[in-house]
Amino acid sequence: QQQVKQSPQSLIVQKGGISIINCAYENTAFDYFPWYQQFPGKGPALLIAIRPDVSEKKEGRFTISFNKSAKQFSLHIMDSQPGDSATYFCAASSTISGSARQLTFGSGTQLTVLP
Amino acid sequence: GAGVSQSPSNKVTEKGKDVELRCDPISGHTALYWYRQSLGQGLEFLIYFQGNSAPDKSGLPSDRFSAERTGGSVSTLTIQRTQQEDSAVYLCASSFQPSGGTDTQYFGPGTRLTVL
Repeated sequence: QQQVKQSPQSLIVQKGGISIINCAYENTAFDYFPWYQQFPGKGPALLIAIRPDVSEKKEGRFTISFNKSAKQFSLHIMDSQPGDSATYFCAASSTISGSARQLTFGSGTQLTVLP
Repeated sequence: GAGVSQSPSNKVTEKGKDVELRCDPISGHTALYWYRQSLGQGLEFLIYFQGNSAPDKSGLPSDRFSAERTGGSVSTLTIQRTQQEDSAVYLCASSFQPSGGTDTQYFGPGTRLTVL
C-alpha cells in the first residue's frame, strides 16, 4: 500500500520559473514531513522539513506548504536554477517504536531546469 | 567519519550467488536504516537497527535477505541466492537518537547491485 503519493513523476521548468511538487498521505500517524533531494549517483539529502502544526515553512528559495485537513503537502522552488535539476522525494515520518522513526517515501519527481 | 559510507559502490554478481553489502554509519548515530531503490522508483524500507538490535524487519522482501549490526556501528546486508529482481541500489542511512519527534536520516551513496 503506497502511503505517500507524489506527483508529477517528472517536471521540466525554465530557469527562473517556479517548480511545484505535490504529495498526499493517508496515515494520520505521520507527524513529520521532510523533502529529500537526490543527485545522480548520490544518496538522498535532506532539503527542508515541516511539522503539521505549521502551514508553511520557507528556507531560501524552497517553501513547503502543508494542508493538514486535506493531508497534502507541496514543495515550491522559486527562481528555479539548472543546479536544482535532481530527483525530489517527499517523505512522511512516524514512530516505529519508542523514539525510533520510520520514513515512508513518495515515488520521486525528476526535475529538469532548462538554462 | 564525515558521512555515511557504503561498500562496494558497485557489485555485479551472477544469479544464485550470495552478496554482502556494508554500511559504515556516522560516528555516534544509534539508528541505522537500509532501503532499496529500484530504477526510477522511490525508496523501499528494508530494515531498521537501534543499536545492535533490529526491532523492525518488516520490510525485508524475503528470507533470502538478512542484516546484522555489530558494535552499534557497522552493518552488513546479506542477500543469499541472488535473483535478477534483486538488482537495485541499496541505500543505508543513519541518524541520532531522535528527539522532539524529528529524525534527520543521513544517507550514504548507495551500492548498485546488478544480478546477471
